[in-house]
Amino acid sequence: GAGVSQSPSNKVTEKGKDVELRCDPISGHTALYWYRQRLGQGLEFLIYFQGNSAPDKSGLPSDRFSAERTGESVSTLTIQRTQQEDSAVYLCASSLYLGQNYGYTFGSGTRLTVV
Amino acid sequence: TQLLEQSPQFLSIQEGENLTVYCNSSSVFSSLQWYRQEPGEGPVLLVTVVTGGEVKKLKRLTFQFGDARKDSSLHITAAQPGDTGLYLCAGARSNYQLIWGAGTKLIIKP
Repeated sequence: GAGVSQSPSNKVTEKGKDVELRCDPISGHTALYWYRQRLGQGLEFLIYFQGNSAPDKSGLPSDRFSAERTGESVSTLTIQRTQQEDSAVYLCASSLYLGQNYGYTFGSGTRLTVV
Repeated sequence: TQLLEQSPQFLSIQEGENLTVYCNSSSVFSSLQWYRQEPGEGPVLLVTVVTGGEVKKLKRLTFQFGDARKDSSLHITAAQPGDTGLYLCAGARSNYQLIWGAGTKLIIKP
């Protein structure tokens, strides 16, 4: 597609439920990143995927968080047994290649509210 | 942990004024990117600076990378209401990872 598409744009869930967030990157972009942004704060790295290489999961805050990506296409971020502190905007970005000289294109994010 | 500190955290000025936003670190970065984020949207890349001392201009915005590649500044001349947004800097380490500042929230009042 022309841009990075994320769905849903908003999600309200009850504490303890599982949620699945989806990211559709720009076609041809090999690298895909997930970030979390709490209100009024900067971006917190969660995970990245590069082609068929093993993902870097070093930013995932707990084992309740997991993500998958099939090839160079859609990615899903799953949060199990959601907690109120998981409430944030989850941003997905893609770039042509992995590396410092390739700017990220971000989606509009999924605003997750855990009640 | 390598940190990027942005200052000021918040700035509200009148249309037509000039302003400078700073991004500082004690660590060296191989490159630095500036993004602008509007409410309800993801950040949008404005510029990437790579060389120490590099200056890039984007219309009324001037970006500078420090000689030691530890800091950067964004200067806006004659600010317009359309410049309103959250400005984020992100520094690249030698690998892929970007280290993000917390952002400067800029409001330009007409």
